Amino acid sequence: NAGVMQNPRHLVRRRGQEARLRCSPMKGHSHVYWYRQLPEEGLKFMVYLQKENIIDESGMPKERFSAEFPKEGPSILRIQQVVRGDSAAYFCASSPDGGYGYTFGSGTRLTVV
Amino acid sequence: DQQVKQNSPSLSVQEGRISILNCDYTNSMFDYFLWYKKYPAEGPTFLISISSIKDKNEDGRFTVFLNKSAKHLSLHIVPSQPGDSAVYFCAARAGANNLFFGTGTRLTVIP
Repeated sequence: NAGVMQNPRHLVRRRGQEARLRCSPMKGHSHVYWYRQLPEEGLKFMVYLQKENIIDESGMPKERFSAEFPKEGPSILRIQQVVRGDSAAYFCASSPDGGYGYTFGSGTRLTVV
Repeated sequence: DQQVKQNSPSLSVQEGRISILNCDYTNSMFDYFLWYKKYPAEGPTFLISISSIKDKNEDGRFTVFLNKSAKHLSLHIVPSQPGDSAVYFCAARAGANNLFFGTGTRLTVIP
């Protein structure tokens, strides 16, 4: 039973480009969460999704960031027109029932140059 | 607004001794507290949790204590082992779907 799979592990983008981060939850998990960890900081909640629905996006920046979790395929976190301040580690987690028992992926480290 | 705080960025302990990691919070609505362990280049791994209606939860070498009046919790690891060296994050939930994380404490267990 594979864990939460995130890809790519490392992503380098130039300022102004788009970044797409993918997350495949654990088998049987239909709840996905995205967190961001800026350097020297803890993880900050961004968005909580179930299949085809955004449940809570209170942690998402209002512009340039979007997330989806389609019926088929992985969850996608999309960052348009990236800026240097978007450089961070982005972690995805999943759970079977929306409870606190998250399983985290290994993260995607985004570097904006 | 950092609702969960870990004021010690690092801690060094001799192998076999007790490690005590501390965490303070400000939101009295938090109903569940968790500790996660993180190795470099990996995601956080759930370690142990405690409900706000309890004051202690034990799992093997790991014990979490909760002092609600002080809004403080701690993680005790005894005896500490070199494999425990990692960053430990305290997290809390306020009945919703998201967790609030502290900034982490890097534990180094010296052989």
